[in-house]
Amino acid sequence: GENVEQHPSTLSVQEGDSAVIKCTYSDSASNYFPWYKQELGKRPQLIIDIRSNVGEKKDQRIAVTLNKTAKHFSLHITETQPEDSAVYFCAVPLQFSGTYKYIFGTGTRLKVLA
Amino acid sequence: DTEVTQTPKHLVMGMTNKKSLKCEQHMGHRAMYWYKQKAKKPPELMFVYSYEKLSINESVPSRFSPECPNSSLLNLHLHALQPEDSALYLCASSQLQGPQEAFFGQGTRLTVV
Repeated sequence: GENVEQHPSTLSVQEGDSAVIKCTYSDSASNYFPWYKQELGKRPQLIIDIRSNVGEKKDQRIAVTLNKTAKHFSLHITETQPEDSAVYFCAVPLQFSGTYKYIFGTGTRLKVLA
Repeated sequence: DTEVTQTPKHLVMGMTNKKSLKCEQHMGHRAMYWYKQKAKKPPELMFVYSYEKLSINESVPSRFSPECPNSSLLNLHLHALQPEDSALYLCASSQLQGPQEAFFGQGTRLTVV
């Protein structure tokens, strides 16, 4: 089955610094790579995603980079703010029986220190 | 409307009780999912419905029984649960022409006593 590894498990940064979280997957057929943010007690919400036909995508302070050869993709947050503190999950969809099962990474707890 | 709505938000049930979790979406998504999330862990897939038919069951114990009565509704029937089943149960939906973004409900926090 799909193996999704996410690192680091915890990350503390000073406000204004950058944060990088990496996700490694095993299924070379995967072609869609989302990142979800989950604040305490709330639902996971998509913050950015990328498809395999591009290597990088940016949305204001957030970017995702993809290296299909090495099978990893990374979340980059610049100019971090306290409200960025949350748990971040990567996910990889695995096609199965005509649909997709989203396999989540183990999560990264990001703390932005004011 | 990009909402997935789950009820109830919180549920406490005894090990002999029968209860149901409900999930509703009106985005026209034909794939619907149940996930279980324990504290400080990622969501763990339980079931996937595709066009109202069960397409994936991740070897979930039979005390959890999913149902998809129509394309907007997804239920999870609970019977004879164990304390270790206490968790956040998340419903999600997505388009089938995918893969696509999965939209999550706010979850039902279940406590089994």
